[in-house]
Amino acid sequence: DGGITQSPKYLFRKEGQNVTLSCEQNLNHDAMYWYRQDPGQGLRLIYYSQIVNDFQKGDIAEGYSVSREKKESFPLTVTSAQKNPTAFYLCASSIRDPNYGYTFGSGTRLTVV
Amino acid sequence: AQSVTQLDSHVSVSEGTPVLLRCNYSSSYSPSLFWYVQHPNKGLQLLLKYTSAATLVKGINGFEAEFKKSETSFHLTKPSAHMSDAAEYFCAVSDTGRRALTFGSGTRLQVQP
Repeated sequence: DGGITQSPKYLFRKEGQNVTLSCEQNLNHDAMYWYRQDPGQGLRLIYYSQIVNDFQKGDIAEGYSVSREKKESFPLTVTSAQKNPTAFYLCASSIRDPNYGYTFGSGTRLTVV
Repeated sequence: AQSVTQLDSHVSVSEGTPVLLRCNYSSSYSPSLFWYVQHPNKGLQLLLKYTSAATLVKGINGFEAEFKKSETSFHLTKPSAHMSDAAEYFCAVSDTGRRALTFGSGTRLQVQP
């Protein structure tokens, strides 16, 4: 079955560590997105990519980095510069036209310990 | 820039009664609009979308929404709530400028037995 897979489901990070969240899709979608979800704030766009080897900052990119070396994969690194990383992170993919809508992964819950 | 405002953070209904979740949008042109549902600790699932065809859009699980340009609204309705409808609902608008979706802050629907 085609879909989008995020791993791990739960992740714990110590202060000052970088961590990488995985997102893989087998839908042959060109575009991929990372959103952060906090209670009462909806989803906020971190980074997005329309094609391989190209990506753009969203509304809250500070303290995050991404790469898009393969069409299927769009990993997100939460760096030590992100001061409040505890949140639920959602990856999504779509065809290049955003009017089509997204397919979402099941999310990664990151907690700083 | 495009934006959406979800007018209620929480809505509580009794099982078998109608559901109304409200969403207003702001856009400089005719937008594409979406409703997504999220169950706890899960990704988002597309309920329905409006992309400049019929203004009354039918979605999955008996939900529908009506696009009203004069009121800049896209409210989600269901004639009769079921316990399984309890979840968080997000309205989203397509930002064709940056080719990504912008989400509202969400409405938590509670269904009482």
